[in-house]
Amino acid sequence: AQTVTQSQPEMSVQEAETVTLSCTYDTSESDYYLFWYKQPPSRQMILVIRQEAYKQQNATENRFSVNFQKAAKSFSLKISDSQLGDAAMYFCAYRSGYGSSNTGKLIFGQGTTLQVKP
Amino acid sequence: NAGVTQTPKFQVLKTGQSMTLQCAQDMNHEYMSWYRQDPGMGLRLIHYSVGAGITDQGEVPNGYNVSRSTTEDFPLRLLSAAPSQTSVYFCASSPRPSGRGDEQFFGPGTRLTVL
Repeated sequence: AQTVTQSQPEMSVQEAETVTLSCTYDTSESDYYLFWYKQPPSRQMILVIRQEAYKQQNATENRFSVNFQKAAKSFSLKISDSQLGDAAMYFCAYRSGYGSSNTGKLIFGQGTTLQVKP
Repeated sequence: NAGVTQTPKFQVLKTGQSMTLQCAQDMNHEYMSWYRQDPGMGLRLIHYSVGAGITDQGEVPNGYNVSRSTTEDFPLRLLSAAPSQTSVYFCASSPRPSGRGDEQFFGPGTRLTVL
């Protein structure tokens, strides 16, 4: 079974600085997708970025980028030029790429709460 | 488009009561699912559906029932509420059951407290 681990329950960053959130996962599959979701105090789950495992190039979305290390099964999220609106809980998630076992199921990590200090 | 809607936003039940959490989407998505969020555990899949008339169990299905009579609606029923079901519940949808890289769109969540 696949698992996702976020070992940092809480992180803090100064406004305009850069912060990296860690995520590791365990799987025996070679085809899968990884996601970072943001959950602000409003509770709404918002997709931040996604990565296909077969792509070596790291995904980027404006100030958000990932460091995808497939061999190490690591998927960290870097937030550059942090803003007050980035304060939220961030979840790392895994989704199988195999049709035979694909339930569309997202497997989530425990979450990391990010505080942004002005 | 309203996206994914959930009602109610908050609910308090007494142990043993039953209720239905409503979920609807107007994006013609085939895949719909229910998750529960508990502190320190992330979100866990309860039930999912790959299309009208088709449902299956997720990771934590006990105590919950679902049905999918239309593409748009996917209600979650608590048969006999227990304090262990105190949680925040999210409904999510995505376009295709086989679209493994598809974004899942989440509803705003329902905070349920069982006394």
